[in-house]
Amino acid sequence: DSGVTQTPKHLITATGQRVTLRCSPRSGDLSVYWYQQSLDQGLQFLIQYYNGEERAKGNILERFSAQQFPDLHSELNLSSLELGDSALYFCASSPIGDRDYEQYFGPGTRLTVT
Amino acid sequence: SQQGEEDPQALSIQEGENATMNCSYKTSINNLQWYRQNSGRGLVHLILIRSNEREKHSGRLRVTLDTSKKSSSLLITASRAADTASYFCATGDNSGNTPLVFGKGTRLSVIA
Repeated sequence: DSGVTQTPKHLITATGQRVTLRCSPRSGDLSVYWYQQSLDQGLQFLIQYYNGEERAKGNILERFSAQQFPDLHSELNLSSLELGDSALYFCASSPIGDRDYEQYFGPGTRLTVT
Repeated sequence: SQQGEEDPQALSIQEGENATMNCSYKTSINNLQWYRQNSGRGLVHLILIRSNEREKHSGRLRVTLDTSKKSSSLLITASRAADTASYFCATGDNSGNTPLVFGKGTRLSVIA
């Protein structure tokens, strides 16, 4: 158990809908990362937050947004969903925002868009 | 892109044999990390090697780094069926605050 929790574990929704994925980092970790993993694209970095502020942005679509709250949990919002958004979404956390530190991954949320 | 690329894409070995996976990258790095992922689960950090290190050990894992060739290898000795997983390398470059970039992984199957 990494100490990172993600809810829900599974999500099935229809195209055009909006969903929110939630992540609670390890106790004391200030940095949260979001990744998307699909079979054809591998693990893609989406966005990083550090202590409530956006730190780095990757291949995140405009339809997607995220935020980190004062209690350090984070939410990833996906809107106008398309079939291609079906994937595993992982959250990871690390003590600080530095890439020199290992990241602790949550169990992921499997999103299926029908 | 600094993305690491693992080689081979898939590897199948017998239990007890050694497994070697390679990672190549394109730009200067600050560190390189290896992660394991069991099917459909979150990634688990295995080992981090810094750019000024050449070799690092952790249990049955041995990682080497050759910055002149921009490559790293992960060796798992005396493999077990439980080592069956996908293995990813991730690179952190030294040109700013860019996050780790993961490769597409090597899928290892250890047959009992």
